[in-house]
Amino acid sequence: NAGVTQTPKFQVLKTGQSMTLQCAQDMNHNSMYWYRQDPGMGLRLIYYSASEGTTDKGEVPNGYNVSRLNKREFSLRLESAAPSQTSVYFCASRKDSTLANEKLFFGSGTQLSVL
Amino acid sequence: TQLLEQSPQFLSIQEGENLTVYCNSSSVFSSLQWYRQEPGEGPVLLVTVVTGGEVKKLKRLTFQFGDARKDSSLHITAAQTGDTGLYLCAVPSSNTGKLIFGQGTTLQVKP
Repeated sequence: NAGVTQTPKFQVLKTGQSMTLQCAQDMNHNSMYWYRQDPGMGLRLIYYSASEGTTDKGEVPNGYNVSRLNKREFSLRLESAAPSQTSVYFCASRKDSTLANEKLFFGSGTQLSVL
Repeated sequence: TQLLEQSPQFLSIQEGENLTVYCNSSSVFSSLQWYRQEPGEGPVLLVTVVTGGEVKKLKRLTFQFGDARKDSSLHITAAQTGDTGLYLCAVPSSNTGKLIFGQGTTLQVKP
């Protein structure tokens, strides 16, 4: 009963390094999301994928790219990490983004520090 | 500007006290969700409200959606230490499929 799995759980990068955060869900959900969480800011949407083959920008997309590899997997890439990207990153999924009442299922997060 | 404003930002109370937290906006929403997040974990859905004036109860938690569907409140009766966490409200953004969150209320319940 894995749900949404994120890797890694912790990561430290130097400014300018690149990395990819991985996310996979085993609930056959169509929609997947990447959020970042900073103190006092709640959760801010970076990118989302309403269905396999589509991706769209959220509130704070600058400095990030995403890939919806298949229905299960949605990765987030930082091409050139900056200290402002230090944050906790959450991947989430839900069955259908067109139904506003659909529940979001979250992974347990990736704590990223950029020095 | 924040689409959703949550208040208070931080609340520290003793076990057994009652409390209310708020989620406000100037926009009208088709629905609103409340999530709770514990340290080191992702948020978990508590409830979805969809009708103006709707009241839903989850044990000691009472959720209300404003009549005009612009705001919501969460009332906890006789708080317990297990209620400690970050409470987040969230709304759909038009028909885009996005779900937008407020900045959250951090609740600390002391024994």
